[in-house]
Amino acid sequence: EVELVQSGGGLVQPGGSLGLSCAVSGFPFSRYWMHWVRQAPGKGLVWVAHIHIDGKLTTYADSVRGRFTISRDNGKNALYLQMNSLRVEDTAVYYCTTVVDGRGYWGQGSLVTVSS
Amino acid sequence: DIVMTQSPGSLAVSVGERATINCKSSQSLLSRSNNKNYLGWYQQKPGQPPKVLVYWASTREFGVPDRFSGSGSGTDFTLTISSLQAEDVAVYYCQQYYTTPLTFGQGTRLEIK
Repeated sequence: EVELVQSGGGLVQPGGSLGLSCAVSGFPFSRYWMHWVRQAPGKGLVWVAHIHIDGKLTTYADSVRGRFTISRDNGKNALYLQMNSLRVEDTAVYYCTTVVDGRGYWGQGSLVTVSS
Repeated sequence: DIVMTQSPGSLAVSVGERATINCKSSQSLLSRSNNKNYLGWYQQKPGQPPKVLVYWASTREFGVPDRFSGSGSGTDFTLTISSLQAEDVAVYYCQQYYTTPLTFGQGTRLEIK
């Protein structure tokens, strides 16, 4: 059974930092691109970042480039998102997600609230 | 990036009636190498992550009721709920995975009339 279990998140002041993790099991993690997607309160799903299978190629949405860093550890079957210089508009539920043989799999979500 | 345009934004349907949601992509999602459309449909209920209903545009996920069906090819796709049930109240999204970045429709909020 495929599982993506997230940890991290919480309340942080503007300008602060926070890290998210996503522990993966049930499929060959090292063979698949991984993604972070976020959902602001009452809004739709928006892609944030993705990472190639070897971890060397990463791409970011314009809104987070230079502040967020996506990484992975294929030995630990884990995906990470380090978020720095957080802004109020980064407040959202963050999901790790991937597509395996056409099926999308999602973590349970991590709430990040940026507020003073 | 591929733009996904979903319609309508909201929909109210009576229990037992048909609900239809449309999704249009800015470029074809059909792969010539495997003849598959890289399009999925998701259901999201409050406080939950998206749940896959249909993938490859028309393959129903295990355990999803057969009242849900996906159709279409290329750039135009449809999710149909043949006989709406109360538990189908949710927001529905289409997603393309033909190329990165993943992109999503704006969502359709489905309610009971």
